[in-house]
Amino acid sequence: NAGVMQNPRHLVRRRGQEARLRCSPVKGHSHVYWYRQLPEEGLKFMVYLQKENIIDESGMPKERFSAEFPKEGPSILRIQQVVRGDSAAYFCASSPPGTGGANYGYTFGSGTRLTVV
Amino acid sequence: AQSVTQPDIHITVSEGASLELRCNYSYGATPYLFWYVQPPGQGLQLLLKYFSGDTLVQGIKGFEAEFKRSQSSFNLRKPSVHWSDAAEYFCAVGSTGGGNKLTFGTGTQLKVEL
Repeated sequence: NAGVMQNPRHLVRRRGQEARLRCSPVKGHSHVYWYRQLPEEGLKFMVYLQKENIIDESGMPKERFSAEFPKEGPSILRIQQVVRGDSAAYFCASSPPGTGGANYGYTFGSGTRLTVV
Repeated sequence: AQSVTQPDIHITVSEGASLELRCNYSYGATPYLFWYVQPPGQGLQLLLKYFSGDTLVQGIKGFEAEFKRSQSSFNLRKPSVHWSDAAEYFCAVGSTGGGNKLTFGTGTQLKVEL
C-alpha cells in the first residue's frame, strides 16, 4: 500500500512562473493537509482539504496560493507568479476519515522542494 | 495561541550513547503531543504520540517520551543511539478543540558520531 506520493520531488521555477505541486494521499484517506517548511524553520500549516472541499485555509497566503482536492485525482497546491520567498519544502499529509485528522497522526509525503530563481 | 519550543538546534552524540531531545509547549488545555523524525531528504515519520493516560509513551525505533504537565514538556529519549538515528526531529502539538492542524517546533538536528 503506497504512502503519500508527492511530485515532483524537486521543482525549479523562475520568478513570475507558476508552480503546481501534486499530492496523492494514502489509498482510502480522504483528508489532505499541506504544510510549508522554510529554511531553518519548522513546518507551518497551510490548508486542510477533504474531497472537493476546503475545510481550513487559515495558513494560506492571501494571494497567489490556491489548493484543491478534486473528486478524482490528486490534490494540487498552486502558486502563481512565484517569488524567491516561496522557495521552501512543501509537504502533503493525509489521514483517514473519522479519525480526528491531525490528532490521529498524519502520514506525510516526502515533499516537493521548490526553488525560485 | 499554541506554540512549541525545541531549544536545541543541533545535538551530536556518539553511537551507543543515550539521547534526550527537549520539547516545551504552550497550550491552555491538555494537549495532543507528537514527535516526528525526518531523515535527510525525506518526509516526516511519526515516532510516537501522547493523548492521555500514562505519561510515558513508547514509540517506534526504541524511542520514548515523557509528558510532564508541571514543566509543559514532552522530551524524547532513547537509551542507546544508532548511527541510523541521524535525522531531524520535530515536536508538535495538536489541539483538543479540533484536529485539523499541528503546530511544529523548529526541529533538532541530530548528528551521530561513530
